[in-house]
Amino acid sequence: DVQLQESGPGLVKPSQSLSLTCSVTGYSITSGYYWNWIRQFPGNKLEWMGYISYDGSNNYNPSLKNRISITRDTSKNQFFLKLNSVTTEDTATYYCARDDYGRDFDYWGQGTTLTVSS
Amino acid sequence: DIQMTQSPASLSVSVGETVTITCRASENIYSNLAWYQQKQGKSPQLLVYAATNLADGVPSRFSGSGSGTQYSLKINSLQSEDFGSYYCQHFWGTPYTFGGGTKLEIK
Repeated sequence: DVQLQESGPGLVKPSQSLSLTCSVTGYSITSGYYWNWIRQFPGNKLEWMGYISYDGSNNYNPSLKNRISITRDTSKNQFFLKLNSVTTEDTATYYCARDDYGRDFDYWGQGTTLTVSS
Repeated sequence: DIQMTQSPASLSVSVGETVTITCRASENIYSNLAWYQQKQGKSPQLLVYAATNLADGVPSRFSGSGSGTQYSLKINSLQSEDFGSYYCQHFWGTPYTFGGGTKLEIK
């Protein structure tokens, strides 16, 4: 079965960068699908952040402008989120999810909570 | 960006009742819509894709309908495990956006 698991530091200081990892088991991220990051803010609003495709191409939410980067390590079957210049507004639960070619998010990780605070 | 307006924001219902949640898109999304259920402290789980198709393992008491800009999720004969939050999301191009959610509570 496909499983995704996020990991990250839990706490980041303002102006720093956040880095999160999504480890995927049960399916190779180079075989297909789009591999996404989504976040949920306190108050429960969900925001799609972007994805890395099975072929390595990216698609990002313009709202994140030049702060976001999604990369991967195919040898470890992991993909990563990097978000630069974080503020307290980036405090959220971050999820990774598999995107069935723009149809739905069919598998999600359990989420990792990130707090931005000095 | 396409705006997804979901209603109601919350609903208090009893086991056995039928509920309908609606989602309105700011433009035609051609049935490129998914519905998710989220339990407290858990990740969202896919219920419906392409507006009307139930995901694997989803009970038949759930159904999705709609077209154009107006979509609905209907739950017949609510069970205790159905309480939680529900979200719609469009897939008509990026950026994908979500509705604000509907919290289903026990009356």
